[in-house]
Amino acid sequence: EDQVTQSPEALRLQEGESSSLNCSYTVSGLRGLFWYRQDPGKGPEFLFTLYSAGEEKEKERLKATLTKKESFLHITAPKPEDSATYLCAVSSNFGNEKLTFGTGTRLTIIP
Amino acid sequence: DTAVSQTPKYLVTQMGNDKSIKCEQNLGHDTMYWYKQDSKKFLKIMFSYNNKELIINETVPNRFSPKSPDKAHLNLHINSLELGDSAVYFCASSQDRLQGGTEAFFGQGTRLTVV
Repeated sequence: EDQVTQSPEALRLQEGESSSLNCSYTVSGLRGLFWYRQDPGKGPEFLFTLYSAGEEKEKERLKATLTKKESFLHITAPKPEDSATYLCAVSSNFGNEKLTFGTGTRLTIIP
Repeated sequence: DTAVSQTPKYLVTQMGNDKSIKCEQNLGHDTMYWYKQDSKKFLKIMFSYNNKELIINETVPNRFSPKSPDKAHLNLHINSLELGDSAVYFCASSQDRLQGGTEAFFGQGTRLTVV
């Protein structure tokens, strides 16, 4: 069965303090690894899809990377508006497009 | 324009009642999903439909019955509601898997509280 583990569970950073979130996964044939952002009371908002080891994608202060076992979401010089829960999910070539999610990292950026 | 919309946003009901949650997407996607997010914020898939055909049914009690009248709509009907059904239910959609379907887009969620 596909599994996704995210760490840390929660992270508090000062504004401007860069850091990384980790997503470790086991999947039978990776179709894609996804990063989502979820704000309180809202649905997950799509950020990135990564398909193969070595791939990287960037969006503003966020950069996602992928290896064969894990993905990192790097946050550079974060701002308070980056505070949210970041969810990692995988889909497999045998899973009919379903997403298997991790439990998320709750990120708080302190002004 | 809302891409994936669910109604209602909040639903409070008594045990034993039957309720429905509606979902519509205007993205032209062929695949739609229902996910459940529990009190620990863990998101788990319940159902998936592709072009009105049930693709995924993940060990969900028979009290939950999805219905897809067309590929833009996927409704969730729940019979005989139980306290443990309290959660946030998310509808999502993605492009057809045969076209290399990728990311799923989520609605804003329906917070169901059973009392």
